[in-house]
Amino acid sequence: QKEVEQNSGPLSVPEGAIASLNCTYSDRGSQSFFWYRQYSGKSPELIMSIYSNGDKEDGRFTAQLNKASQYVSLLIRDSQPSDSATYLCAVGAGKSTFGDGTTLTVKP
Amino acid sequence: EPEVTQTPSHQVTQMGQEVILRCVPISNHLYFYWYRQILGQKVEFLVSFYNNEISEKSEIFDDQFSVERPDGSNFTLKIRSTKLEDSAMYFCASRQGAVADTQYFGPGTRLTVL
Repeated sequence: QKEVEQNSGPLSVPEGAIASLNCTYSDRGSQSFFWYRQYSGKSPELIMSIYSNGDKEDGRFTAQLNKASQYVSLLIRDSQPSDSATYLCAVGAGKSTFGDGTTLTVKP
Repeated sequence: EPEVTQTPSHQVTQMGQEVILRCVPISNHLYFYWYRQILGQKVEFLVSFYNNEISEKSEIFDDQFSVERPDGSNFTLKIRSTKLEDSAMYFCASRQGAVADTQYFGPGTRLTVL
């Protein structure tokens, strides 16, 4: 059974701070990793995809992948109240396995 | 920008009734998926569909579920005899095809079984 575990929330950070979200996965053969943002009652919205070890930056978001440790993280710099949402880690490009999500609240 | 669409946005049905949830994937995409999310729980894979047949399905996707691509544009999920526990958000997703391609999610259909 492939599993994806995310750090338990909720996570609360002040506006302008760095939010750090973590995820571990069980299937060592996994090749594709995704972070989605989900607002309540809405569908997952892709934030970042990462396929190779190391860091990938896109604006205020940085995804980090360490396949040896089976670990994926997402850093959100200069957090804004509009970043308040549930962040989902997903493994696999199709037939994705999702984590439970971490709810982030950014306080003004 | 192309997007996945789903109809209806909300479906209310009586237990034991059949429902059909509809999706229009992005036009040049080849892989299609259904996921569900029970309120407060994680997004769960149901089924993947490629080349007019199911390529993978989860344990959730039992005999009461079926999928079809009837006309080259729509992709449907049928639940034959709904149960209370089928109440959930159902998301359709599509992917162009390469290994590293992203899947794009539709807005979802909220199914309420009474």
